[in-house]
Amino acid sequence: KAGVTQTPRYLIKTRGQQVTLSCSPISGHRSVSWYQQTPGQGLQFLFEYFSETQRNKGNFPGRFSGRQFSNSRSEMNVSTLELGDSALYLCASSLAGAGANVLTFGAGSRLTVL
Amino acid sequence: QKEVEQNSGPLSVPEGAIASLNCTYSDRGSQSFFWYRQYSGKSPELIMFIYSNGDKEDGRFTAQLNKASQYVSLLIRDSQPSDSATYLCAVLYSGGGADGLTFGKGTHLIIQP
Repeated sequence: KAGVTQTPRYLIKTRGQQVTLSCSPISGHRSVSWYQQTPGQGLQFLFEYFSETQRNKGNFPGRFSGRQFSNSRSEMNVSTLELGDSALYLCASSLAGAGANVLTFGAGSRLTVL
Repeated sequence: QKEVEQNSGPLSVPEGAIASLNCTYSDRGSQSFFWYRQYSGKSPELIMFIYSNGDKEDGRFTAQLNKASQYVSLLIRDSQPSDSATYLCAVLYSGGGADGLTFGKGTHLIIQP
């Protein structure tokens, strides 16, 4: 059974650019959550999507957005990149959301903003 | 503001001993508690979850929850060098608003051969 797949694994951008990250959940999982991990702040919740709807959102600015497609694949977008957006972005999937089931994380997308 | 606190370590434990990892949380409405292990350069992987007060055992791992004290811990018996990793405590508060997990910053555990 394939795990959670995130692409790209590594990317380098410059300030002001935008980036789109992709996540394919485990087959049958309908919930996709996104987290940002940095050495200083640790893992922080960005948002969760379930059945193409954003169900929950963390405390991040509007530059961070996401969406989910009918096949449960999800994308997150960060616009007008800032140096502080450099981080490991982790996607996690679950059957019905973190409230009912455990999360399985992907390998992450490591974003460097120069 | 929901917070999860962990001692960052490093916590050094000799091989074969019991490693004890602790976590406190701020929100009394928290309902579900998770322990994840993260090796350097890898993504977090679930070790255990616990919902009810008391102990829950799974192999060499025991999770302990005390909701009155807002405290959750993870014990690792017969520690092995392969247990060396960062252990993340995560708490879920299903009270509306952001329903994602709130993670602590993790405890770096080193098992000394």
